[in-house]
Amino acid sequence: VQLQESGPGLVKPSETLSLTCTVSGYSISSGFYWGWIRQPPGKGLEWIGSMYRSGSTFYNPSLKSRVTISLDTSKNQFSLKLSSVTAADTAMYYCARDRGGGFGYWGQGTLVAVSS
Amino acid sequence: EIVMTQSPATLSVSPGERATLSCRASQSVDTNLAWYQQKPGQAPRLLIYGASTRATGIPARFGGSGSGTEFTLTISSLQSEDFAVYYCQEYYNWPSYTFGQGTKLEIK
Repeated sequence: VQLQESGPGLVKPSETLSLTCTVSGYSISSGFYWGWIRQPPGKGLEWIGSMYRSGSTFYNPSLKSRVTISLDTSKNQFSLKLSSVTAADTAMYYCARDRGGGFGYWGQGTLVAVSS
Repeated sequence: EIVMTQSPATLSVSPGERATLSCRASQSVDTNLAWYQQKPGQAPRLLIYGASTRATGIPARFGGSGSGTEFTLTISSLQSEDFAVYYCQEYYNWPSYTFGQGTKLEIK
């Protein structure tokens, strides 16, 4: 199983951050939750949210009002949208597969900076 | 909201010695706890889940213990590749998660 994040490396303040995670070696429609985690430079990990193939989504309460996670099973991808970004959203963003208690497979991460 | 607190923030240990890292939950999470290792420039790697079960391919020198609110990650006989940052993560309300702030394990 391999995961690969993609998307713009620079987003302007107040705009929407959009990232995609492409999964290979496993069909996301077969099961598992698929999640996003971020890490500001030099800081710790923060779970953003997760989604199941059924469409069930769970979001970090601190980000819930700004986050949308969606699946595209035809492309074997899932996506993250984070609206109204500020400099505090500058981070490495990781996608990962939830094993049902812990994330067993991770992408390499993509750095997103929020700046004008 | 469950808060995870790791201690110490930095731990200095000599190669070949044992390292003991702690993680405390603000309320009971039973054994719904995972540990990760993160090296510079890399994604985290799952070491332990269910508080004490090693993930696939994780060496036996990594051991997890605890339940409720107190957890420990023990690394026996530290190897050079073990010096990294370690995070605990609770999933009592799975699929929601909370991470601890991390412990940096450095060479003494």
